[in-house]
Amino acid sequence: DIQMTQSPASLSASLGETVTIECRASEDIYNGLAWYQQKPGKSPQLLIYNANSLHTGVPSRFSGSGSGTQYSLKINSLQSEDVASYFCQQYYNYPLTFGSGTKLEIK
Amino acid sequence: EVQLVESGEGLVQPGSSMKLSCVASGFTFSNYGMNWIRQAPKKGLEWIALIYYDSSSKYYADSVKGRFTISRDNSKNTLYLEMNSLRSEDTAMYYCAKSAYYGYNYFDYWGQGVMVTVSS
Repeated sequence: DIQMTQSPASLSASLGETVTIECRASEDIYNGLAWYQQKPGKSPQLLIYNANSLHTGVPSRFSGSGSGTQYSLKINSLQSEDVASYFCQQYYNYPLTFGSGTKLEIK
Repeated sequence: EVQLVESGEGLVQPGSSMKLSCVASGFTFSNYGMNWIRQAPKKGLEWIALIYYDSSSKYYADSVKGRFTISRDNSKNTLYLEMNSLRSEDTAMYYCAKSAYYGYNYFDYWGQGVMVTVSS
């Protein structure tokens, strides 16, 4: 199974700041990586797919990058509505696996 | 507008069975793979099962293999999850989610989720 190691587990940042969340795969996943946002009490929502493609309707302050085993999600100009948990997911191979999540709070 | 609506929520005893349903609308259901993903209270996400658009292939996480069965009825736009031999560790919110494209199993739409509690 491909293990997804996500960091940090939690993050506190100020409004307007830029934050970065990392995800490392245990083997090359060839850009088969997605990022999701889950607001408290809600279902997850797709942000990024194919490592760096923005899903329809997602604000451009979200961006994804990376290749091989190392990937990251960047949020520019942090807004209050970005308070959420963020998860990465690899879909290169079965079983499909998620990172353990990053909880983002506003300082 | 894509909608996925799960049902079948409840409290069951360990060792018992339960069936979840997910009714889809707003897209051509028969063209897409579908998934079940769960989230234990205050925990992360765990993918548990996928079924191809035509039911020709099914994949399961090891944690549920042999106990859970994913199925679909394309004539009813409905996805199912039959859960047997339920354990306390199966307690979770269960989401159905649509695969984006054939061969690209990221989840572009999710349902609201249903809570399954396994407890005596």
